Amino acid sequence: AQSVTQLGSHVSVSEGALVLLRCNYSSSVPPYLFWYVQYPNQGLQLLLKYTSAATLVKGINGFEAEFKKSETSFHLTKPSAHMSDAAEYFCAVTGGPLRGGYQKVTFGIGTKLQVIP
Amino acid sequence: DTGVSQDPRHKITKRGQNVTFRCDPISEHNRLYWYRQTLGQGPEFLTYFQNEAQLEKSRLLSDRFSAERPKGSFSTLEIQRTEQGDSAMYLCASSSPTSGRADTGELFFGEGSRLTVL
Repeated sequence: AQSVTQLGSHVSVSEGALVLLRCNYSSSVPPYLFWYVQYPNQGLQLLLKYTSAATLVKGINGFEAEFKKSETSFHLTKPSAHMSDAAEYFCAVTGGPLRGGYQKVTFGIGTKLQVIP
Repeated sequence: DTGVSQDPRHKITKRGQNVTFRCDPISEHNRLYWYRQTLGQGPEFLTYFQNEAQLEKSRLLSDRFSAERPKGSFSTLEIQRTEQGDSAMYLCASSSPTSGRADTGELFFGEGSRLTVL
């Protein structure tokens, strides 16, 4: 079974400060990892994904994440927070590559990011 | 392509009533998923369709819940005899494997249908 743990259900940063949202995963097979963002009253939108290629993954809106197998981590970072980054962020994992089959995506509980002006 | 659309966006009902939600996936996507999201939690998997076939159901999907995708296009999720514990956001997502390539598991979500049971 696969799972993710997001440390910190709420994170506050000042505008312009570093954003660091933590995610640790557990998987019995090489994982695919994702970060999704959810703005109020909207669905989830993919920020970035790791699919066993480069370990440093760049996504939309200046976000990036690094896959560290030794630490079983996939933390999300952004060098400088913007007010528009205020949202809820979900880390997610699947069990690895699938071809024509199904692989359930398991989500973490989410981290709400507050950006203080 | 207009993305995944869900209807209605909001539904308020009284306990014991039946409700139905509809999801229209991205047109070329053959995989469709239903998730449930409650306050303070991430989305929880409910069920999955590949074309019209329902291939997996979560234990969360009690016998009061039924999902269909009759023609492999849109899907409906019906909840019978609603309970207050059914209050949640019901999310639909779709995806599609590209022929000859592995499906990475990336999901495309709709904006959700929020259910409030009084």
